[in-house]
Amino acid sequence: KNEVEQSPQNLTAQEGEFITINCSYSVGISALHWLQQHPGGGIVSLFMLSSGKKKHGRLIATINIQEKHSSLHITASHPRDSAVYICAVSRGGADGLTFGKGTHLIIQP
Amino acid sequence: DSGVTQTPKHLITATGQRVTLRCSPRSGDLSVYWYQQSLDQGLQFLIHYYNGEERAKGNILERFSAQQFPDLHSELNLSSLELGDSALYFCASSVASGGGGNIQYFGAGTRLSVL
Repeated sequence: KNEVEQSPQNLTAQEGEFITINCSYSVGISALHWLQQHPGGGIVSLFMLSSGKKKHGRLIATINIQEKHSSLHITASHPRDSAVYICAVSRGGADGLTFGKGTHLIIQP
Repeated sequence: DSGVTQTPKHLITATGQRVTLRCSPRSGDLSVYWYQQSLDQGLQFLIHYYNGEERAKGNILERFSAQQFPDLHSELNLSSLELGDSALYFCASSVASGGGGNIQYFGAGTRLSVL
């Protein structure tokens, strides 16, 4: 079983829909990261959170430490949101991130 | 633009060869992380350097090595290349060396094709 699980693996939605991507983890963490990877391959950090909720524009990330679960929400989705969204965790210490397998999101106009 | 520079963008080489991937971190960042992204394994942590010293190793093969120089740029050396080493290699930089978690800024990656 992977230490970081994401669902769904693939998601196709219509423009304007509310999108939710889920992430569960099975290890102790110091922080959880949401990353975005566009078809060109570049990776951008969207959020880093260790508790509660963060919002940036149309993106909202939440984390429940007790349940070891995080969600990424996109409101009023747009075709430019089409990308792979990756959940990753920092386990403390000097180790790098541990990644989920990503959610491939397509927003159709 | 993340401020992290990786060169080259693409690299095509043959099995058995050796290549060097280069990464310049964001100004002021002391940590450099190397990651490999392949179709079957996804993204995996390889190695972490902080201010010139190795801090942590992940799933890095013995054929691979890295170093961080006094100017903080880092190089990932891949030797005796195999077809399965074909992947996207990312470096990421952050200010500190982990602990409570730090935002990592990713370079655009080097796409390695081993033929």
